[in-house]
Amino acid sequence: DIQMTQSPSSLSASVGDRVTITCRASQGIRNDLGWYQQKPGKAPKRLIYAASSLQSGVPSRFSGSGSGTEFTLTISSLQPEDFATYYCLQHNSYTWTFGQGTKVEIK
Amino acid sequence: EVQLVESGGGLVQPGGSLRLSCAASGFTFSSYWMSWVRQAPGKGLEWVANIKQDGSEKYYVDSVKGRFTISRDNAKNSLYLQMNSLRAEDTAVYYCARVHLPYEEGDYWGQGTLVTVSS
Repeated sequence: DIQMTQSPSSLSASVGDRVTITCRASQGIRNDLGWYQQKPGKAPKRLIYAASSLQSGVPSRFSGSGSGTEFTLTISSLQPEDFATYYCLQHNSYTWTFGQGTKVEIK
Repeated sequence: EVQLVESGGGLVQPGGSLRLSCAASGFTFSSYWMSWVRQAPGKGLEWVANIKQDGSEKYYVDSVKGRFTISRDNAKNSLYLQMNSLRAEDTAVYYCARVHLPYEEGDYWGQGTLVTVSS
């Protein structure tokens, strides 16, 4: 099975900061990866699909990059509504795997 | 408007069974792969199972293989998860989700239903 290692597990940042979250796959997954945002008590919401494509309606401060085994989610200028937990999800194999999650907290 | 509404959660004893349902509306249900995803209290997301449009292919996370069965009834626009031999570690909020191709159409999730396995 493909393992996804997400880092960091948490981070503290201020409004306006640039934030980067990384996911590493245990084997190559091409660009079969999405990034999801989850707020407390709510269902997740996809921000990025195919590693770097912005989902319609998602602010352009979110971007994704990477291919193969290394992937990055970047928030260019953190906004108050971005404080949440973020997950990567690989769907390259028949069985899917989420990363462990990154909680973005207010500094 | 796409809607996914789960039901069937509750308290069950270890070793017991439960059947979750997900009622879909607002889209052509029979055209999409569907998924179950769960989240234990205070923990991260875990993919549980996928099912193809016609039910001919099903995939599971190792921890539920042989105990859980995903199924669908396209005539009723419904997705199901039959959970047998439940364990304490199956305690979670279970989400029904449409997260497959085409990705440009976005992802859709239910509100989740809580399953608690405890004596």
